[in-house]
Amino acid sequence: DQQVKQNSPSLSVQEGRISILNCDYTNSMFDYFLWYKKYPAEGPTFLISISSIKDKNEDGRFTVFLNKSAKHLSLHIVPSQPGDSAVYFCAASLVNFNKFYFGSGTKLNVKP
Amino acid sequence: GAGVSQSPSNKVTEKGKDVELRCDPISGHTALYWYRQSLGQGLEFLIYFQGNSAPDKSGLPSDRFSAERTGGSVSTLTIQRTQQEDSAVYLCASSLEGDGSPLHFGNGTRLTVT
Repeated sequence: DQQVKQNSPSLSVQEGRISILNCDYTNSMFDYFLWYKKYPAEGPTFLISISSIKDKNEDGRFTVFLNKSAKHLSLHIVPSQPGDSAVYFCAASLVNFNKFYFGSGTKLNVKP
Repeated sequence: GAGVSQSPSNKVTEKGKDVELRCDPISGHTALYWYRQSLGQGLEFLIYFQGNSAPDKSGLPSDRFSAERTGGSVSTLTIQRTQQEDSAVYLCASSLEGDGSPLHFGNGTRLTVT
């Protein structure tokens, strides 16, 4: 039973445009959400996070939006760059932080 | 090193053999996690350590899987009598306190069971 879902396995975007990656979750008790980026043959690296008390967090070109009523979060990358091409995982955690639940990932391809 | 180190990076083993995977977390990180990623799947939680104790082993898929952590540092994940469905990338991650600090992942061990 997957509690965090990324329904788009892949996304292709032109350089300079906005990339929007989506993530849905089922457990309303989740209160901390993260996005990770993964290049081939490397481990995921932390990108940005948001706590459930916020609905938006911004860091440079990356913004994460949280819609708790819809149990949905999204990652916006603007402007997209070819170096952003990677697999993006969203993750969610309960208050005890002992376990992070990951989605299956979305492979982003930014075309030059 | 500055990051999480995992060894070996690749392991090919015959079905039925035992394997041991090693993780060296970032120095000072008290929380350590094991995940695995099977082909086309997301990251599946296996086990969490806080110090040397494992308060959450709920993700271990069967009793063939075990893990230990010694000295609050190095961890080993052991898979006994490997099966083909154990083939996956096994990822180790550590975090400063296990208090929501972002996880820092190693590059993983790619296990192939033939």
